[in-house]
Amino acid sequence: GESVGLHLPTLSVQEGDNSIINCAYSNSASDYFIWYKQESGKGPQFIIDIRSNMDKRQGQRVTVLLNKTVKHLSLQIAATQPGDSAVYFCAEKDSGAGSYQLTFGKGTKLSVIP
Amino acid sequence: EPEVTQTPSHQVTQMGQEVILRCVPISNHLYFYWYRQILGQKVEFLVSFYNNEISEKSEIFDDQFSVERPDGSNFTLKIRSTKLEDSAMYFCASSDTGVGTEAFFGQGTRLTVV
Repeated sequence: GESVGLHLPTLSVQEGDNSIINCAYSNSASDYFIWYKQESGKGPQFIIDIRSNMDKRQGQRVTVLLNKTVKHLSLQIAATQPGDSAVYFCAEKDSGAGSYQLTFGKGTKLSVIP
Repeated sequence: EPEVTQTPSHQVTQMGQEVILRCVPISNHLYFYWYRQILGQKVEFLVSFYNNEISEKSEIFDDQFSVERPDGSNFTLKIRSTKLEDSAMYFCASSDTGVGTEAFFGQGTRLTVV
């Protein structure tokens, strides 16, 4: 079946460096994508989203890039801070009518080295 | 900042027993969701709920599960005759519109079936 997956299960970066977390998806019918951050013992926290009619969206210190040609999504975090240490999930939503569910990827653990 | 609250934070139950997980979504939200996350695995969609009825459910959400909005503020997930494999984190989420909008997640209820 179609699924969302992640290339790298763990990522360690030096504080102050930029981080890039990648996600591959296979459902060509997905029209909406979200990045979530999950800290230990907490629920997923929304970071940034992007619709399929866009290829880039920027937030505060974060940028999401969408490449529909190769079905690839990435999250870039600028000037990574210790507080960014968490597991990051990409999630997608199918464009089908009445479809509300998000399909999550497996997650990438980001560790920031002080 | 408004938030989704879930109770209890941890529930231990014996196999075969029924449990009710409770959620208070954000007050002006109209769409409600339950997701679960088995330890070390992906966050999985269970069900979405709108206008006092189920909008969409996954294969996981079989007859063992039910949801209810008993009053204007609570949203519950009932699991009948729990099995060991029901042990997981259960997350409630809500959004103000259903499709393609940010869903806010609660902190989760850790269900342990023994």
